[in-house]
Amino acid sequence: DAKTTQPTSMDCAEGRAANLPCNHSTISGNEYVYWYRQIHSQGPQYIIHGLKNNETNEMASLIITEDRKSSTLILPHATLRDTAVYYCIVRYLNDYKLSFGAGTTVTVRA
Amino acid sequence: DAMVIQNPRYQVTQFGKPVTLSCSQTLNHNVMYWYQQKSSQAPKLLFHYYDKDFNNEADTPDNFQSRRPNTSFCFLDIRSPGLGDAAMYLCATSSDKQGIHRVDTEAFFGQGTRLTVV
Repeated sequence: DAKTTQPTSMDCAEGRAANLPCNHSTISGNEYVYWYRQIHSQGPQYIIHGLKNNETNEMASLIITEDRKSSTLILPHATLRDTAVYYCIVRYLNDYKLSFGAGTTVTVRA
Repeated sequence: DAMVIQNPRYQVTQFGKPVTLSCSQTLNHNVMYWYQQKSSQAPKLLFHYYDKDFNNEADTPDNFQSRRPNTSFCFLDIRSPGLGDAAMYLCATSSDKQGIHRVDTEAFFGQGTRLTVV
């Protein structure tokens, strides 16, 4: 599996955009980029995924570089409830495994 | 409404005494997963079912077993819990709608069962 690299932690001011980077330099053409988050004491929650085009939904935007070696998750207006661990995951097209790396601990501060 | 339900939320068991954690889903998803998450660590995949096919991770200890009697239910059995098995256990589901391997669907997680071994 392609591996991902994320910063260990980052802070964000409430109301500002949070930009979470993820490096996946060995990603192959059939691998998707997924983002999940886990709020303390809860199960992980799906946020967004993409293959090569930028994606947006009600929670976030996903920007994937043209060479697909990195991506950025954007929370447009961070709130205190966005404080969580954010996981960037790369999966093969034909692989059911959802394997979590260390993730980024995001703390949104008032 | 909860779609992936894990019971109980908190479980205390004695060292060496078998324990079963349960997971049910209302999504009719054909793939179900069990994860172990220890404090301050990422969830670690133990095994998953694709329909009735069981897929064990290579490093999952033999102490951990699973059963899936039907689409809706999946159980995690820990035959002889040790102190090191204290963790949050997460169940998740996903769907393979077309009967071929697809990963463009999200996984839904339950709230987890926190297991304490005394």
